[in-house]
Amino acid sequence: EVQLVESGGALVQPGGSLRLSCAASGFTFSNYAMNWVRQAPGKGLEWVSGVTNSGGVTYYADSVKGRFTISRDNSKNTLYLQMNSLRAEDTAVYYCANAQRLSVWGKGTTVTVSS
Amino acid sequence: EIVMTQSPAALSVSPGERATLSCRASQSVSSNLAWYQQKPGQAPRLLIYGASTRATGIPARFSGSGSGTEFTLTISSLQSEDFAVYYCLQYNNLFQWTFGQGTKVEIK
Repeated sequence: EVQLVESGGALVQPGGSLRLSCAASGFTFSNYAMNWVRQAPGKGLEWVSGVTNSGGVTYYADSVKGRFTISRDNSKNTLYLQMNSLRAEDTAVYYCANAQRLSVWGKGTTVTVSS
Repeated sequence: EIVMTQSPAALSVSPGERATLSCRASQSVSSNLAWYQQKPGQAPRLLIYGASTRATGIPARFSGSGSGTEFTLTISSLQSEDFAVYYCLQYNNLFQWTFGQGTKVEIK
C-alpha cells in the first residue's frame, strides 16, 4: 500500500524549532520529488517547500524562506522539514505529498505555535 | 507566482442537482491542473488531474474541463457524500504548486 505518514507535530513557543518527518512506503521514494503543504485552521492549502528526488535542489515559499529547511534521506525513505524561528502564523496542519503522484498525500501532523 | 482564483467561494446545491465550480489561473498552466476534495479533518483527496482525467476510483459524476487559464469541475448529480470543500491546484511547476482558495459545496 502506498503511504505517507507524517510525525513530529507539537505545541511550540514562538521563536522555537521543530522537525517534521514523513515516512514513505509502498513506492520507490528515491524516484520522486516531494513537497510539504500546510493548512492553517479554517484556511486553504498552501505549498511550503519542495525537494528533488535526489535531494540536491530545494525550493521554498517566500513565507518560510530562511527559516525552514527541507531534506530527505532516501536510504530511510523519509522526508524532513526543519522549522526554525517559528511564528504564530506557522500554526497549521502540515502534509507531505508526492510532487509527481498527485494522489499520494499523508494525513498530516499538527503544529501549534503559541505561548 | 501563478495565482489561482476559484469561484464561487460557496455554493448551495440540493442533492441530485448539478454543481459547476470554476478555477482561473493568472497565466497559462496548460493542462497541469488538478481538483481535490477535502472533508473536515481529512487530507485532500485527488479527483481530477491533467484538467480532465479522473483519478482512480473517482465516480463518473465528477468531470473536469478546460486548459490554459480557465477550468471547470462539474459534479453532475450531487450525492450526500459530495458536500465538501473543493480546491484546484496548478502543478505547472512541480515545486511551486499554487492552490485556489477553495469552494465550499453546501446542502441547500
